[in-house]
Amino acid sequence: EAQVTQNPRYLITVTGKKLTVTCSQNMNHEYMSWYRQDPGLGLRQIYYSMNVEVTDKGDVPEGYKVSRKEKRNFPLILESPSPNQTSLYFCASSLSQTYQPQHFGDGTRLSIL
Amino acid sequence: AQTVTQSQPEMSVQEAETVTLSCTYDTSESDYYLFWYKQPPSRQMILVIRQEAYKQQNATENRFSVNFQKAAKSFSLKISDSQLGDAAMYFCAYRSANTGNQFYFGTGTSLTVIP
Repeated sequence: EAQVTQNPRYLITVTGKKLTVTCSQNMNHEYMSWYRQDPGLGLRQIYYSMNVEVTDKGDVPEGYKVSRKEKRNFPLILESPSPNQTSLYFCASSLSQTYQPQHFGDGTRLSIL
Repeated sequence: AQTVTQSQPEMSVQEAETVTLSCTYDTSESDYYLFWYKQPPSRQMILVIRQEAYKQQNATENRFSVNFQKAAKSFSLKISDSQLGDAAMYFCAYRSANTGNQFYFGTGTSLTVIP
């Protein structure tokens, strides 16, 4: 089954404790992306990757890191999480052609205390 | 950066009736793609419909259709014969055809379907 898998689905943690949210896709997609969703703000892009070892900032990259060492994986790293990073996070992937829509993971609810 | 505006935070519709959700966008590009995504309470993001800017014909997917007005930079979603399962948050999104690097989403419209 074609899918984008995020882990964990839920996480409550404390300020300053490094965390990683994993994202994996099994569709051989070149393009992968991370979003955060906040009430009244919609989805905002954090980082995206056009292919292995190619990553770039979206609209809200501050406080986040990503890496793309393998085509299927695109982890999101919060080195020193803060309460303003409490949000719902989505990973998505698509083929590189610009007309292709994105396939989304089921989301990760992060709470930073 | 492109901006996508959904001016209706909430909408409601009677079951079996028709509802239209609005979306406008701001861009200087001539070639791009527009999408509507549905997010039910399960919070999954589900593609509803897609429109290529170079196509004059409005996209249609079963009960879902769009009214694409390129000059007005408007991309509304019409849901016909509304069903209870249509209740969800709906997001409009834009992607450049030239760079394709970034997706821009609107703030969403929450649709309630009244039995």
